[in-house]
Amino acid sequence: DVKVTQSSRYLVKRTGEKVFLECVQDMDHENMFWYRQDPGLGLRLIYFSYDVKMKEKGDIPEGYSVSREKKERFSLILESASTNQTSMYLCASSVRGGNQPQHFGDGTRLSIL
Amino acid sequence: GDSVTQMEGPVTLSEEACLTINCTYTATGYPSLFWYVQYPGEGLQLLLKATKADDKGSNKGFEATYRKETTSFHLEKGSVQVSDSAVYFCALSEDTGFQKLVFGTGTRLLVSP
Repeated sequence: DVKVTQSSRYLVKRTGEKVFLECVQDMDHENMFWYRQDPGLGLRLIYFSYDVKMKEKGDIPEGYSVSREKKERFSLILESASTNQTSMYLCASSVRGGNQPQHFGDGTRLSIL
Repeated sequence: GDSVTQMEGPVTLSEEACLTINCTYTATGYPSLFWYVQYPGEGLQLLLKATKADDKGSNKGFEATYRKETTSFHLEKGSVQVSDSAVYFCALSEDTGFQKLVFGTGTRLLVSP
């Protein structure tokens, strides 16, 4: 069965900290994605990656960076956390091409104090 | 740019009632259309999809038909159950190979016994 695993379900950090959110998929998918989910705004794409070491900005990349050193792992980095980055973060993966669906992890609820 | 508009919730129904959640889209090309469902405390799961005009996606008693002339993809179910209570997201994907999804804001469904 398809599995996307996010390292933490809940995370509390302080403003100014550097925060790492980790995501691992076991399906050998080429594409991986990071979204944030906020009430009334739905899901917004932060960054995505279509191959190892490749990354593309999504709709709201400001304040974030990503790393993809291995095919199965995609990390989201908050360089200097701020309170407006308090949100639910969702990771997803998919095969390339053919309008295949994305498979999602259970999410990390991040609070920045 | 591409966008998805879906009806605001919450939608509150009694068990065995009929459900319709409206979704309309704007896209430059010929997108694939998806409905995802998010149960409490979980990530998103693909519910159904349609890849071309007049296609009907169906799963677990839910259906949606890709209507190009009205740019719509409304979600329907003839008889809802308490276990259908969740947030439903309509989404589209242009076939660029990256499987980028554009999501609506989500509609919460509450089904009471």
